[in-house]
Amino acid sequence: DAKTTQPTSMDCAEGRAANLPCNHSTISGNEYVYWYRQIHSQGPQYIIHGLKNNETNEMASLIITEDRKSSTLILPHATLRDTAVYYCIVRAAGSARQLTFGSGTQLTVLP
Amino acid sequence: NAGVMQNPRHLVRRRGQEARLRCSPMKGHSHVYWYRQLPEEGLKFMVYLQKENIIDESGMPKERFSAEFPKEGPSILRIQQVVRGDSAAYFCASSLRDFANEQFFGPGTRLTVL
Repeated sequence: DAKTTQPTSMDCAEGRAANLPCNHSTISGNEYVYWYRQIHSQGPQYIIHGLKNNETNEMASLIITEDRKSSTLILPHATLRDTAVYYCIVRAAGSARQLTFGSGTQLTVLP
Repeated sequence: NAGVMQNPRHLVRRRGQEARLRCSPMKGHSHVYWYRQLPEEGLKFMVYLQKENIIDESGMPKERFSAEFPKEGPSILRIQQVVRGDSAAYFCASSLRDFANEQFFGPGTRLTVL
């Protein structure tokens, strides 16, 4: 699976959009981008995934650049409960069962 | 619909004892994954099981660790002769099918070895 690079930490004001970047410059054509988050002392939680088109669900939006070398997870209206470590994961479809977690981005939502 | 359940949530063992961690997947899920998170580190994959079969144990330490997922009952991660370096949070996840996009994680078991 391709390697990902994320900033170590970010702050965001409550109510504002949180934009979390991820670089995956060596991504292959069959690799998807997944986002999970881990709130302190809890198990990780799936957020969203995509291949090349932008995706949106009730939790977040995922914007993938046209060359697929980077992506951004957007939490449109961050709340204090969104404070967590966010992991960007690249995984090949149909060949990798496990998730490979990096060090992620610690997002702190400030009141 | 109950989520993934793990027990115990906290487990304290002395060096040399055995630790048994249990995981009940979500209803209808027959695919189970175990991950370990050492202090201040990210999660590392350990093993992937389907009912009665170990499919991928590439992340399991070669000695002292074993896992099973019997036809009936929870999945068990067993650590024999625990050492202080085994102290970690152990997370179980389940999915509805093989190569699923979403894995559902349990709350974890925090193992402390004295």
